[in-house]
Amino acid sequence: DIQMTQSPSSLSASVGDRVTITCRASQSITTYLNWYQQIPGKAPKLLIYGASSLQNGVPSRFSGSGSGTDFTLTISSLQPEDFATYYCQQSYNTPPWTFGQGTRVEIK
Amino acid sequence: EVQLVESGGGLVKPGGSLRLSCAASGLSFSTHNMNWVRQAPGKGLEWVSSISSSSSYIYYADSVKGRFTISRDNAKDSLHLQMNSLSAEDTAVYYCARGFYASGSYCLHFDYWGQGALVTVSS
Repeated sequence: DIQMTQSPSSLSASVGDRVTITCRASQSITTYLNWYQQIPGKAPKLLIYGASSLQNGVPSRFSGSGSGTDFTLTISSLQPEDFATYYCQQSYNTPPWTFGQGTRVEIK
Repeated sequence: EVQLVESGGGLVKPGGSLRLSCAASGLSFSTHNMNWVRQAPGKGLEWVSSISSSSSYIYYADSVKGRFTISRDNAKDSLHLQMNSLSAEDTAVYYCARGFYASGSYCLHFDYWGQGALVTVSS
């Protein structure tokens, strides 16, 4: 199975900060990589699919990049509603499709 | 508006069974891959099972293989998860989620999610 490792596990940041979260796959997944945001008590929300495509309705301050094994989610200017947990997820080939362990973004 | 609504969660004793359902509306249910994803209390997301649009392709996580059965009824726009031989490790919120391929993309992603159904396995 493909293992997904996110870093950091948590971070503290201020409104307006640029935030970067990384995700590493245990083998190449080309660009079969998605990013989700989860607010406590809510269902996950898709942000980015195919490593870099912004889901409809998601603010442009969110962006994704990478290919192969290394990927990045960037929030260009952190907003109050962005404090949440972020997960990467691979959908390379057939299941099992695995998630990273999550990165919690907290208010500094 | 797309809606996925899970039902059937609850408290069950170890070794017991439970059947979750997910009612879909606002989407062409019969043409899409559907999935179950779970989240144990305070933990991350775990993909559980996937079923193709016509039920031809079914997959399970190793952690549930042989105990859980995914199915769908395209005539009723519903997805199901039969869970047998439950243990405390199965305690989680279970989400149904649509698997989608955007135009020009081969990357399946979960674009619509239900609100989740809590399953608690405890004596």
